[in-house]
Amino acid sequence: AQKITQTQPGMFVQEKEAVTLDCTYDTSDPSYGLFWYKQPSSGEMIFLIYQGSYDQQNATEGRYSLNFQKARKSANLVISASQLGDSAMYFCAMRSTMNRDDKIIFGKGTRLHILP
Amino acid sequence: DAGVIQSPRHEVTEMGQEVTLRCKPISGHDYLFWYRQTMMRGLELLIYFNNNVPIDDSGMPEDRFSAKMPNASFSTLKIQPSEPRDSAVYFCASRTGGWNTEAFFGQGTRLTVV
Repeated sequence: AQKITQTQPGMFVQEKEAVTLDCTYDTSDPSYGLFWYKQPSSGEMIFLIYQGSYDQQNATEGRYSLNFQKARKSANLVISASQLGDSAMYFCAMRSTMNRDDKIIFGKGTRLHILP
Repeated sequence: DAGVIQSPRHEVTEMGQEVTLRCKPISGHDYLFWYRQTMMRGLELLIYFNNNVPIDDSGMPEDRFSAKMPNASFSTLKIQPSEPRDSAVYFCASRTGGWNTEAFFGQGTRLTVV
């Protein structure tokens, strides 16, 4: 069965420090995609970054990067130089196409608090 | 494009009443997803459509829930009869069929069943 695990329910980080949010996944599908979304207190879901299972390099988008370790089935999100506006809920998600299915499932999320 | 549009944004209803949530996906998107978000269970996929056809409804909690997509620009999620445990934020999302494309989410509907 496909599964996303985020083991950190909450994190507190000092402003300007780097943050790593953990995500592990489980799938037997050789071809899959991994996503990270941000959900601020206003409630909307904001796409941050994508990593394909066959991508050779780790994805980067501005201050966001994805530490993809395929053998360990982990896809940690790294936020460099954190800002107060980074305080939010962060979700890791996976898309795979096992059995001709094609859906995106989410982990339970990590609530990040950036301290001034 | 205006993005994924959901209505209503907030809904308060009494137990036993029928509730209908609406979604307009982004034009040209082949896939539409309905998710439910609660503190306890996080973001759960309820059902998704591809080209207006329901593909996987295994996440629909019970027969009280039903979803339709009569055309490419409109979908509904109906709960009949509603129960207090259905209180949650319901999100609709859509995306194209490309492999590396993310899902775009609507603003969500906050449902409260009293």
